[in-house]
Amino acid sequence: SQTIHQWPATLVQPVGSPLSLECTVEGTSNPNLYWYRQAAGRGLQLLFYSVGIGQISSEVPQNLSASRPQDRQFILSSKKLLLSDSGFYLCAWTPGSGNEKLFFGSGTQLSVL
Amino acid sequence: GENVEQHPSTLSVQEGDSAVIKCTYSDSASNYFPWYKQELGKRPQLIIDIRSNVGEKKDQRIAVTLNKTAKHFSLHITETQPEDSAVYFCAAGSQGNLIFGKGTKLSVKP
Repeated sequence: SQTIHQWPATLVQPVGSPLSLECTVEGTSNPNLYWYRQAAGRGLQLLFYSVGIGQISSEVPQNLSASRPQDRQFILSSKKLLLSDSGFYLCAWTPGSGNEKLFFGSGTQLSVL
Repeated sequence: GENVEQHPSTLSVQEGDSAVIKCTYSDSASNYFPWYKQELGKRPQLIIDIRSNVGEKKDQRIAVTLNKTAKHFSLHITETQPEDSAVYFCAAGSQGNLIFGKGTKLSVKP
């Protein structure tokens, strides 16, 4: 069966520090991968999605970036964090090829202080 | 692009009553409409979904209806239980790109 792993679960970082969140999917190949952000008490905002290795689409301009170095690996990065980057970050995947069911990772609670 | 509006933002019901959450969407090209349940501090979990070629779908106590002409869809929970308390999100989209509503916090009072 397919599983999605996301880490770390919680992260406290100072303003201006770098960020790297990692997500991997097991049990499937060529998934579509997504990064969402959820601010406290708010909805889910799509940040990036990828339909294949090296293919990244950005939905919102910001100081974050995403990379997909391997088929089932998706990384969210920042060179310098801002206070406004605080939130709950969720990696997600769909099987693609017409199957649109979206499954979320367990999330990373990021606090920028 | 797609825009999804969700109402109400909060909903309180007595145990055993029904709960209805409504969403509207703007893009007529959207053809996939899932609903997610998120408990505090946890990941959203897919609870039911519907495609644009279907008007209604039911799974035990939950059901979803879709009106393509009016561009709105609804989640219905019958015989609510305290464990149904959570935040519920609707979404609309196509080809894997989903736009989410802002969520409804449902509280079921015993």
